[in-house]
Amino acid sequence: GAVVSQHPSRVICKSGTSVKIECRSLDFQATTMFWYRQFPKQSLMLMATSNEGSKATYEQGVEKDKFLINHASLTLSTLTVTSAHPEDSSFYICSASRTGATYEQYFGPGTRLTVT
Amino acid sequence: AQTVTQSQPEMSVQEAETVTLSCTYDTSESDYYLFWYKQPPSRQMILVIRQEAYKQQNATENRFSVNFQKAAKSFSLKISDSQLGDAAMYFCAYRSFTNAGKSTFGDGTTLTVKP
Repeated sequence: GAVVSQHPSRVICKSGTSVKIECRSLDFQATTMFWYRQFPKQSLMLMATSNEGSKATYEQGVEKDKFLINHASLTLSTLTVTSAHPEDSSFYICSASRTGATYEQYFGPGTRLTVT
Repeated sequence: AQTVTQSQPEMSVQEAETVTLSCTYDTSESDYYLFWYKQPPSRQMILVIRQEAYKQQNATENRFSVNFQKAAKSFSLKISDSQLGDAAMYFCAYRSFTNAGKSTFGDGTTLTVKP
């Protein structure tokens, strides 16, 4: 149990376009989902925390108008990178915490975004 | 704010030998969780071991064990009988009971296992 999926696993888009990444908890309800960005051989950088039915909380320095997060249900959160630029190319990882059991995070497999 | 420090960017170990990865953290909280995660080349984050700060006993999971020193704010990971499949990047992470359950990750240690 406790499986988190991400779709797509890889995406290439042209500069100026938008791309949406989905994060789903497949077999549990997730009150909270987290979105991370990771550069090669570096640590995970928390971008934002999303709670079902409310606005996401963004970390300092993360542009909320550029990285739109929607947590529409207890099993789905989406990250939309708007007007993507090459510097947005990165590996994006989501994680989810079970409702009522916030000590554990379950990670998705990540999405590699390349902006050309 | 909490910080997590992994002072060893790279470590190597001979197959079947034991290796210890270091992690220190800084916090003013008394209750929290500590984790070690493994990230292999696939980049899927895998939970290795978890420690609750209120527990004095060190957590153990098969070949993986921790040395948790709460007063020293130290949380090292020992891998015994190292296997080739243990080669990966290892992250130490701190998770608050409060602060929306956010996790803070160290910079990671790349572990190489030599056959």
